[in-house]
Amino acid sequence: DAGVIQSPRHEVTEMGQEVTLRCKPISGHDYLFWYRQTMMRGLELLIYFNNNVPIDDSGMPEDRFSAKMPNASFSTLKIQPSEPRDSAVYFCASSYRTSGGVETQYFGPGTRLLVL
Amino acid sequence: GQSLEQPSEVTAVEGAIVQINCTYQTSGFYGLSWYQQHDGGAPTFLSYNALDGLEETGRFSSFLSRSDSYGYLLLQELQMKDSASYFCAVRRSGNTGKLIFGQGTTLQVKP
Repeated sequence: DAGVIQSPRHEVTEMGQEVTLRCKPISGHDYLFWYRQTMMRGLELLIYFNNNVPIDDSGMPEDRFSAKMPNASFSTLKIQPSEPRDSAVYFCASSYRTSGGVETQYFGPGTRLLVL
Repeated sequence: GQSLEQPSEVTAVEGAIVQINCTYQTSGFYGLSWYQQHDGGAPTFLSYNALDGLEETGRFSSFLSRSDSYGYLLLQELQMKDSASYFCAVRRSGNTGKLIFGQGTTLQVKP
């Protein structure tokens, strides 16, 4: 399996522009998580989906952020308009339920976003 | 509220043993996970404890004491490639898979 795939790997944009990050989870996984990582705030969960349905979006910073999962193999995280404080590494992770519950998350390589 | 505490940095020499501690305070606790992240890379899963005691996976072991709200990751026979950040993460529920991550411990292994 190719693992979790994220695109783009790097994004440089100007303040006010729309940014769309993409994620393809591992086939067969029914949980998908979006994280943001910065030096100041560490690794923060933004939102997660189960069977394509958003379950918990309490980590989404504000209305400028939105996420969708139109099908089991694709998700997007959109920032509109972007601001310099959104600069971070954004990770997508996927997981599946075992007899012990949902134990292991598999992370993608991340998208390094720089907003100027 | 919820919080996870782990040391920010640890230094050790090749071949040694190092222990990275994690204490947590959360409303609801189901299990404790550990993830490794190399510079510029993605977090990767190391271990998971739902019950008290020690779990061993090769050179790495993880321990949990639910009564003390405490766990640790033990790395033996340290190698240079073990230089990375190590995160503990709490699962608050068995149903959701949602993790709350600590701030991470940067381990530097010296020759």
